[in-house]
Amino acid sequence: NAGVMQNPRHLVRRRGQEARLRCSPMKGHSHVYWYRQLPEEGLKFMVYLQKENIIDESGMPKERFSAEFPKEGPSILRIQQVVRGDSAAYFCASSPRDEQYFGPGTRLTVT
Amino acid sequence: KQEVTQIPAALSVPEGENLVLNCSFTDSAIYNLQWFRQDPGKGLTSLLLIQSSQREQTSGRLNASLDKSSGRSTLYIAASQPGDSATYLCAALSSGSARQLTFGSGTQLTVLP
Repeated sequence: NAGVMQNPRHLVRRRGQEARLRCSPMKGHSHVYWYRQLPEEGLKFMVYLQKENIIDESGMPKERFSAEFPKEGPSILRIQQVVRGDSAAYFCASSPRDEQYFGPGTRLTVT
Repeated sequence: KQEVTQIPAALSVPEGENLVLNCSFTDSAIYNLQWFRQDPGKGLTSLLLIQSSQREQTSGRLNASLDKSSGRSTLYIAASQPGDSATYLCAALSSGSARQLTFGSGTQLTVLP
């Protein structure tokens, strides 16, 4: 059973571009979570999704950020019009129920 | 709002020493508590998960305890090795419908050969 997969592992975007981060949960896991780790800061929750539903987006910035987990395919975290402050490591986790398993992360650099 | 604190922020010990990492949380209404390991530039590896009804969990040289009433958890590492060098994170999962993990800022452990 492959672990949580994230791609790309590294992403460079210029200010104003869009960033799309993908997460494939472990087989059989129906819960997906996104977390962000800013430089020199701890991991912060962003959003919790189940298939086709956003359950909790209390940690998502109100503008430019969106997330989805479609019926088919990976979960997508989308950041529009990126700014330098969006540079961070973005981690996806999945769970069958309570224990969360993390992917390797996508490191976004905004130039 | 849950807050998780880890002490110390950094720890350096000689190889072979037993050590304890501390984690405290402000809201005792947790569903479980997880300990993770993070290597530089890498993702998180789950080490141990303690359900709220449990007092401790063990895996190899690792032992984690949970005291909900005092809002504390400890991770005990026996006979430390240089390969244990990493940042150790604890995270609390709140009860109820919210399933977000609240993380501490971590303890950066260095085990000297």
